[in-house]
Amino acid sequence: GAVVSQHPSWVICKSGTSVKIECRSLDFQATTMFWYRQFPKQSLMLMATSNEGSKATYEQGVEKDKFLINHASLTLSTLTVTSAHPEDSSFYICSARDPQESSYEQYFGPGTRLTVT
Amino acid sequence: GENVEQHPSTLSVQEGDSAVIKCTYSDSASNYFPWYKQELGKGPQLIIDIRSNVGEKKDQRIAVTLNKTAKHFSLHITETQPEDSAVYFCAAPAGNKLTFGGGTRVLVKP
Repeated sequence: GAVVSQHPSWVICKSGTSVKIECRSLDFQATTMFWYRQFPKQSLMLMATSNEGSKATYEQGVEKDKFLINHASLTLSTLTVTSAHPEDSSFYICSARDPQESSYEQYFGPGTRLTVT
Repeated sequence: GENVEQHPSTLSVQEGDSAVIKCTYSDSASNYFPWYKQELGKGPQLIIDIRSNVGEKKDQRIAVTLNKTAKHFSLHITETQPEDSAVYFCAAPAGNKLTFGGGTRVLVKP
């Protein structure tokens, strides 16, 4: 199956700083990637859809100026949490779609745990 | 948009018994239904999926059934083992995205 990686796997940062999380598709080219946030004991909440070469599409209620998404290549999407605050502490997960397969199948990365102190 | 409800939220079973998780969806046009397993601190892993042109699909100890008329689909795990303990999520398509159920925390007691 398709493999998606994320880096870092965990990060601790101070309030007010910015953090960048990378999502890579390792063995396929992903024209579309998705960014999710997951709070403890809750389901996955879609934040935005990242499209290679174009602007990301954000879900309602997600601040696009706070969560910057860049999908500059077919194998890499980045999520930057700007001016992070403790309430941004969460588990961030990306997924990617392999255009060679079904239009719905998503392969998930291992997640990045962000702690803002 | 698509609305997915998942039950139960927690499920405790004795090792060797079966576990069943059910999801309902709202969009009758949906035609792809995946199930994901998420272990603690990890990303979700696709374990099985079903498309609307079939009613059942099996893969060793896991199976998924689909009832399009009633708009629900279920995950069946037989002969449960301790390593089946995890959180399971169902999903249904909403445009080019997936809408996830609330998750079921499964605990297999040895």
